[in-house]
Amino acid sequence: KQEVTQIPAALSVPEGENLVLNCSFTDSAIYNLQWFRQDPGKGLTSLLLIQSSQREQTSGRLNASLDKSSGRSTLYIAASQPGDSATYLCAVPITGTASKLTFGTGTRLQVTL
Amino acid sequence: GAVVSQHPSRVICKSGTSVKIECRSLDFQATTMFWYRQFPKKSLMLMATSNEGSKATYEQGVEKDKFLINHASLTLSTLTVTSAHPEDSSFYICSARSPSGVGYEQYFGPGTRLTVT
Repeated sequence: KQEVTQIPAALSVPEGENLVLNCSFTDSAIYNLQWFRQDPGKGLTSLLLIQSSQREQTSGRLNASLDKSSGRSTLYIAASQPGDSATYLCAVPITGTASKLTFGTGTRLQVTL
Repeated sequence: GAVVSQHPSRVICKSGTSVKIECRSLDFQATTMFWYRQFPKKSLMLMATSNEGSKATYEQGVEKDKFLINHASLTLSTLTVTSAHPEDSSFYICSARSPSGVGYEQYFGPGTRLTVT
């Protein structure tokens, strides 16, 4: 059974810092890995999708890497801003599927002025 | 990017009544949609897969008679919580996979906050 873990559970950094969020999964046979952002009481915004054949994806100040063999992904946020404050979730498809997602526990990020 | 909407955004109902939540893909057709549930300070749990033109498939532990799913068209899936009880209070979120999305990327609705009193 696929299990996804994210560390740290919460993180507070001053504005301008670079930071790394970690995601690990138990079954390396995945189609892809997706990073999402969730603001309090809101739905999910897709940030980055990494295919199983890819090692990283970049979008603006965000860079996500994927190491399937070790079951790990990282989300790197450069030059953090207060607007980046949110919960970040990673998700991978349930083993044997391409679309049914299982989510990590999330990292709650607070960027302070 | 692809947009998914949900209605209502929040609903309060009395115990024993039924509540319907709609999930729409606004600018694409989705043969498959997914329903998730999120408890406070917890992550999302997949409840069921909604298939256009056929029955939904439910994850283990999810009561299909309690959570009725109907995928009426290629842009609309509905979740009906029947005979709701306070323990059904939760945040319900739907998602859909856009056919134009690369590699099964999913797009999520804004969620529906259900409170059963």
